[in-house]
Amino acid sequence: DQQVKQNSPSLSVQEGRISILNCDYTNSMFDYFLWYKKYPAEGPTFLISISSIKDKNEDGRFTVFLNKSAKHLSLHIVPSQPGDSAVYFCAARTQGGSEKLVFGKGTKLTVNP
Amino acid sequence: SQTIHQWPATLVQPVGSPLSLECTVEGTSNPNLYWYRQAAGRGLQLLFYSVGIGQISSEVPQNLSASRPQDRQFILSSKKLLLSDSGFYLCAWSRDKKNIQYFGAGTRLSVL
Repeated sequence: DQQVKQNSPSLSVQEGRISILNCDYTNSMFDYFLWYKKYPAEGPTFLISISSIKDKNEDGRFTVFLNKSAKHLSLHIVPSQPGDSAVYFCAARTQGGSEKLVFGKGTKLTVNP
Repeated sequence: SQTIHQWPATLVQPVGSPLSLECTVEGTSNPNLYWYRQAAGRGLQLLFYSVGIGQISSEVPQNLSASRPQDRQFILSSKKLLLSDSGFYLCAWSRDKKNIQYFGAGTRLSVL
């Protein structure tokens, strides 16, 4: 049972345009969501997060939106840069401070110059 | 500042040989520690996690085991590797209630 789903395995955008990465979840007990960025042959790095009590969190070029009723979150990157090309993972934490995160399978973003 | 060390970076092992991957964290105490595997073209699969010395939780039955002999040391082991154990192994730690996890650089394991 895949509780966190990233249905697009890949996304290609032009430099300077907006990148929108999507994530859907099924478990209504998730209360905290995170995005990670991963380059090949490296460990994922934490990018941005959002609590379930908010619907938007912004950090520079990165904004995460949460729609609880739809059980959907998205990561917007504006403007996209070639260095943003990586695999992006969505992750979620269960309410109550679970020690575990549930990860999606990732979306590979390619930003073309 | 906190850092996480994971080694070796790459490893090629024959089928049936033992495995020991080590992960250490510096600059924090009593972290939660995690072992993940990323198989080719797939997401991050949680293998083991630990909330304290000697406390290991296993997420999937498999050919691997984990140990935490010291507060900031986490070891992934196998007595006999299988071909299916090939993959990219990642160690991670967390310390806050938000459970933001910080990852090591990973070990690329090829079992031949």
